[in-house]
Amino acid sequence: DAGVTQSPTHLIKTRGQQVTLRCSPKSGHDTVSWYQQALGQGPQFIFQYYEEEERQRGNFPDRFSGHQFPNYSSELNVNALLLGDSALYLCASSLGRRRLTNYGYTFGSGTRLTVV
Amino acid sequence: DAKTTQPNSMESNEEEPVHLPCNHSTISGTDYIHWYRQLPSQGPEYVIHGLTSNVNNRMASLAIAEDRKSSTLILHRATLRDAAVYYCIPPGGSGGGADGLTFGKGTHLIIQP
Repeated sequence: DAGVTQSPTHLIKTRGQQVTLRCSPKSGHDTVSWYQQALGQGPQFIFQYYEEEERQRGNFPDRFSGHQFPNYSSELNVNALLLGDSALYLCASSLGRRRLTNYGYTFGSGTRLTVV
Repeated sequence: DAKTTQPNSMESNEEEPVHLPCNHSTISGTDYIHWYRQLPSQGPEYVIHGLTSNVNNRMASLAIAEDRKSSTLILHRATLRDAAVYYCIPPGGSGGGADGLTFGKGTHLIIQP
């Protein structure tokens, strides 16, 4: 049974460009969250999608946006890339929202984004 | 936001027990305390969670203080594969609300053979 799948695994973009990262949740999960992890830091919550809508958002600017599709997969879009956006982007899936279920999350291995 | 305090790093010998402490400076509602770990080059992995009493699973045990202001993750017999960064996730969620997990810098656990 496949866990959370993220693509691509690595990506290099130029400052000012736009990027789209993709995530397929674990089978049976319906909720997707995105996290940004800078080198040497813990992951930081970006936002969560449930029933194709953004339900919760962390302290990230509007340049970060997302989408969830009817099959529960999700995309993270970042516009006008800055050098500081270089990080590991992690996708986590769950069955239901944490506030409602307190279930654990299953994380993917992430996409390493480098902005030059 | 809820905050946690964990040692930056800890070292233990293989096959010995390891106690990883965490202080939670704020407590809110009845949300669970979660622990995750992150092995090198991987995403975080769920370890255990609990509310008010001690919890056990195949990976670890979790001891929660009566006032819920601290918890301790216990690995009963550490192996080299347990070398990872361990994150204590406090109740109350992250800045965006209760659904997001709040990760600090965690504790880097080093296991010596």
